[in-house]
Amino acid sequence: DVKVTQSSRYLVKRTGEKVFLECVQDMDHENMFWYRQDPGLGLRLIYFSYDVKMKEKGDIPEGYSVSREKKERFSLILESASTNQTSMYLCASSLLGGADQPQHFGDGTRLSIL
Amino acid sequence: AQKVTQAQTEISVVEKEDVTLDCVYETRDTTYYLFWYKQPPSGELVFLIRRNSFDEQNEISGRYSWNFQKSTSSFNFTITASQVVDSAVYFCALGASGTYKYIFGTGTRLKVLA
Repeated sequence: DVKVTQSSRYLVKRTGEKVFLECVQDMDHENMFWYRQDPGLGLRLIYFSYDVKMKEKGDIPEGYSVSREKKERFSLILESASTNQTSMYLCASSLLGGADQPQHFGDGTRLSIL
Repeated sequence: AQKVTQAQTEISVVEKEDVTLDCVYETRDTTYYLFWYKQPPSGELVFLIRRNSFDEQNEISGRYSWNFQKSTSSFNFTITASQVVDSAVYFCALGASGTYKYIFGTGTRLKVLA
């Protein structure tokens, strides 16, 4: 079974802090994704990566950056956290290919920015 | 434009009732993929099924069944004899050929009462 592990289930940070959310997958998947989930809005794609050091913007990249130095790890960075970034963040991975591939998700990180 | 609509925000049923979750999609592509995911209270999205646009066969897996109808752009999900463990948020998603992206619906929260 694919295991996608997010480093924290709950995180509380202050406005202006630099925040790192970490995600690790153990199945050698090429693709990795970061989403945020908000009530009434479903899941929205922030960034995705299809290879080491490769990244592409999703639908809502503003205020975020990502890093993928190793195949199994994909980090989401909030450069200067703001209260409107309080949300549930979900990481996912999938095999090489496009949107025909099922994505496998982590448990999520519930981030609160005070 | 591509879009997924899950008009039912929340459904409550009593255990052993059958329940259908609706999903309507919009796309101009001829090749596309449809997915259902379950998100239990633990937070992790669990992959349930994938359908490609060329396969309109209905699928049954235990108490779960899916009805894909291209004529009405719908991909509905039925749970037969619902159980309390079915309580979750269910997401429908559309994957466009040639991209990495999913378009998610806003989800339907299902509450199964004992």
